[in-house]
Amino acid sequence: AQSVTQLDSHVSVSEGTPVLLRCNYSSSYSPSLFWYVQHPNKGLQLLLKYTSAATLVKGINGFEAEFKKSETSFHLTKPSAHMSDAAEYFCVVSDLWNNDMRFGAGTRLTVKP
Amino acid sequence: DSGVTQTPKHLITATGQRVTLRCSPRSGDLSVYWYQQSLDQGLQFLIQYYNGEERAKGNILERFSAQQFPDLHSELNLSSLELGDSALYFCASSARQGTNYGYTFGSGTRLTVV
Repeated sequence: AQSVTQLDSHVSVSEGTPVLLRCNYSSSYSPSLFWYVQHPNKGLQLLLKYTSAATLVKGINGFEAEFKKSETSFHLTKPSAHMSDAAEYFCVVSDLWNNDMRFGAGTRLTVKP
Repeated sequence: DSGVTQTPKHLITATGQRVTLRCSPRSGDLSVYWYQQSLDQGLQFLIQYYNGEERAKGNILERFSAQQFPDLHSELNLSSLELGDSALYFCASSARQGTNYGYTFGSGTRLTVV
């Protein structure tokens, strides 16, 4: 079965500095990978997804992620953090056509002024 | 607005009671998924329906049940409630049965059992 590990439970950055949220996955088959963001008291919003096309995936709000099969990683990055980026971020893996999406434990991003 | 509507937004009830959470999927989506989010367990998949039929089950307790109606809205029924059932319950929908396309989540129902 597939699984995902978010390597940091909490990341703190200053506004205007780069963001890196790390995610490693395990999957027996060709995985689909997603990043979701959850702002306080809100639902989860899809940031971006990888589904076996280009390995560098661009998402909303300036976020992007790179699929690295050799490292089984799908890290989320943003060149310059904004205060509005403060939220919980979830890395998600699913096997192609599997009905089971596995969520990571989440990474809380704090952005300092 | 994601297009997935969940009601009610907040629910406070006593132990032993039964509640029903409702979800209307995004227009055109046939699959509905229910998740429970709590501080200690994280985001847990409960159950999935596709076009009215149950398709996958996760960590759903026997006290919980769900169904999807012909108009594609879904209800999650929680009975004999315990304090530990207090959580955020999310509904998500997708156009197809598989998970390759990602889900659209509703804003959740916060259940507090007292």
